[in-house]
Parts: sequence; C-alpha cells; structure tokens
Amino acid sequence: QQQVKQSPQSLIVQKGGISIINCAYENTAFDYFPWYQQFPGKGPALLIAIRPDVSEKKEGRFTISFNKSAKQFSLHIMDSQPGDSATYFCAASRSGGSNYKLTFGKGTLLTVNP
Amino acid sequence: NAGVMQNPRHLVRRRGQEARLRCSPMKGHSHVYWYRQLPEEGLKFMVYLQKENIIDESGMPKERFSAEFPKEGPSILRIQQVVRGDSAAYFCASSPPQVLTLHFGNGTRLTVT
Repeated sequence: QQQVKQSPQSLIVQKGGISIINCAYENTAFDYFPWYQQFPGKGPALLIAIRPDVSEKKEGRFTISFNKSAKQFSLHIMDSQPGDSATYFCAASRSGGSNYKLTFGKGTLLTVNP
Repeated sequence: NAGVMQNPRHLVRRRGQEARLRCSPMKGHSHVYWYRQLPEEGLKFMVYLQKENIIDESGMPKERFSAEFPKEGPSILRIQQVVRGDSAAYFCASSPPQVLTLHFGNGTRLTVT
C-alpha cells in the first residue's frame, strides 16, 4: 500500500480559531479521500470526503481542499470548538473493486482550548 | 439501529495464547472489514469478508491470523500464539453492498503480556 503522510502530529487551537490538517499521497490511482474523526475509546467516524473532480468541499464548519497536481489535501475546521478535540485521520483509496482498502495517515491529535 | 458491535472491548492475553475478536455488522450490512491500529499509527487494512467468503486478505499476516464470517453469527478474527507485537486496537467495519462508506465499531484493545 502506498503511504499517506499527515501533518502535524498534534495541534492546539484556541476556541473560535481555524484548525488546519494536511495530507499528501503518492499513489496517483487514489481517487477517494475521506477524513475520519476519532474520540478516545471510540472507532473512527466518517467526517467528510472528496473526490478529485472538485477542488473543495464544505460541510458546515468542515472544509476539504484538494490539490490534484500537488497530490495534497487538507482539512479546515472553522470556528473550532472544544467538542472538536479528537484525533483526525485522512485516508485514501482507489475506486472500483478495492475502494474498501483505505490507506490511513498516522493521525493528528487536535486540542481546542476553551 | 445499532452500530457495528465489537466484543470484547478489552482483551488481555499472555504470550502463546489465542485471541478471538468478534464483530457483528450493522443491520443490513453483509460486508465486513478488519483493520488494525498499532500505537502511534493509522489504521491498516487486514481483511475483507462477505458471508462465508474471504474476499481480500492481502493485509493479513501470513501466519497465526485468520478470519471468518459464517452464515450465522458474528465475524471472528482469530490470532493464534499471540506475541507482544500483536498488541493493538482491532477495528471492524461494515457496509452494505456497493457502498463505499465504512462504519467502524469501537474496537477491541488487545494487550499481550
């Protein structure tokens, strides 16, 4: 499996600030890029996902930006809240028969201070 | 509608023992996937099963690990003769056919002493 590199490893943001997490991938065959949110003791939950045919997708306070030529994508959390404190994972997969085989980044531990 | 159910939540085994991890998919989901999360690492794909069939086991270690999803009952991930390096969180996910979104359970934390 090709690697997905995620940064930063940890992030501290003040309430109301913008949290930005970046990911870069190597395999140009990847065409599905989800972000997962994981709280301690829980499983990952799908937050938002994007395909390469668009450069940006927004859902509420969460936005994915996608740069196909640079093979990078990022998650922006606007107006960050203490309840957003969690570990965030980016992932990538190929569509078609192996779309279940997600390659995950190592995660970013986000702490939002009140 | 209950989510993906995994049990036990925590499992402690001594080196050389067997570990059995169970996963009941969401209602209506016939596809099950197992992922492993090592400390400080992201999740890594292990195996994809449908009822009575292993579809893709390319992420499974060649020895000591096996998985099944019988016609009746939960999916089982079995680790024989566990070693300390098997200590990890094991997550099960499920999906209906033809749908990309994976729904993860809360995992089983395996500790090998």
